[in-house]
Amino acid sequence: EVQLVESGGGLVQPGSSLKVSCVASGFTFSSYVMHWFRQAPENGIEWLAYINTDSSSTHYAETVKGRFTISRDNAKNTVDMQLSSLRSEDTAMYFCAREALWTPDYWGQGVMVTVSS
Amino acid sequence: DIQMTQSPPSLSASLGDKVTITCQASQNINKYIAWYQQKPGKAPRQLIRYTSTLVSGTPSRFSGSGSGRDYSFSISNVESEDIASYYCLQYDNLPYTFGAGTKLELK
Repeated sequence: EVQLVESGGGLVQPGSSLKVSCVASGFTFSSYVMHWFRQAPENGIEWLAYINTDSSSTHYAETVKGRFTISRDNAKNTVDMQLSSLRSEDTAMYFCAREALWTPDYWGQGVMVTVSS
Repeated sequence: DIQMTQSPPSLSASLGDKVTITCQASQNINKYIAWYQQKPGKAPRQLIRYTSTLVSGTPSRFSGSGSGRDYSFSISNVESEDIASYYCLQYDNLPYTFGAGTKLELK
């Protein structure tokens, strides 16, 4: 069974940093592109970042480019996102997702990040 | 970026009804559209990919169609378990972009 489990969320102050992580199981992690998405409370879904299978290629949404960094460890079956220079508008549920046939198919349950003083 | 205009924002349906949601892309997305269901507090669940391909486990009452810029998603014979929000996603180009969502409620 494919499983994606996020962790690392919490309450942080504006300007601070946080790392959210996602551990995968139930599939050959190293063979799949991975993504991060977020959803602000009562809001729609926003794509944030993409990383290919060997980490040679990453892409970011303009809203987070230069502040967020996606990375993966195929030996540990994890994909992380380092969030820096956090703003109140970054408050959201953050989801990792696997890509299959060019589309995100399985998603984790999400981890909440709240940016507030 | 490709904009996805999804309508309606909300739908009220009775059990057994057929409902349809549309998404219009700001440019041709070559049928690279997927549809997701999301229940409160849960992750999105993919139902359809590449316009009309039902993913494994998706009931046959769900369907999708379209081409070019215009796409639709339907649920025939709405069941109580279908009460959720639905989102379209274009994956023709990065950045992937979603419609604003449609909240399906029971009448």
